[in-house]
Amino acid sequence: NAGVTQTPKFRVLKTGQSMTLLCAQDMNHEYMYWYRQDPGMGLRLIHYSVGEGTTAKGEVPDGYNVSRLKKQNFLLGLESAAPSQTSVYFCASSSRLISPVYNEQFFGPGTRLTVL
Amino acid sequence: AQTVTQSQPEMSVQEAETVTLSCTYDTSESDYYLFWYKQPPSRQMILVIRQEAYKQQNATENRFSVNFQKAAKSFSLKISDSQLGDAAMYFCAYRTSGNTPLVFGKGTRLSVIA
Repeated sequence: NAGVTQTPKFRVLKTGQSMTLLCAQDMNHEYMYWYRQDPGMGLRLIHYSVGEGTTAKGEVPDGYNVSRLKKQNFLLGLESAAPSQTSVYFCASSSRLISPVYNEQFFGPGTRLTVL
Repeated sequence: AQTVTQSQPEMSVQEAETVTLSCTYDTSESDYYLFWYKQPPSRQMILVIRQEAYKQQNATENRFSVNFQKAAKSFSLKISDSQLGDAAMYFCAYRTSGNTPLVFGKGTRLSVIA
């Protein structure tokens, strides 16, 4: 099992360009999340999904859109990139089952995005 | 809203010594979970240890243990016999008993001195 994978691993954009980050998981998890990590800020939730076809806003959703058309994939889109969106983006997934393992979130390796 | 505070941006420890990383949180919930994640230079997020709020016994995982003080809303991580491989960013995280997203602290960067 690959776990959680993210594509691409690195990307450089110019201001105003658009792009989509792809997250894929092979654990049949219902829940998926997108976080961004900035120096001194920890990880902050952008959007999340509790199932195919459903999404919800997190703490810092502005400037991002998401889609969950397939259970295994969660896409994060930037329609018009801004320098403030320079960050490391993490995807994570977890099972919806309330279990003794506390619904551990499994993280992808991250995508480093630079917007010039 | 729940918040997680890590008051130590940076810590250092001598190899083989013990270090404690602090974490406090704010919540009105009575049932919740707490976690410590390690992020080495590879950027991968690694779950180190977790604690269920209703359990009074502190969790331990080999050289890692926690001091969970529910009334004080404190959840510190103790690393014993520190090793060079323990050098990393450490994040404290919280979530409610429902399957909600994690709320992270800002992290503590731990350096291990040989």
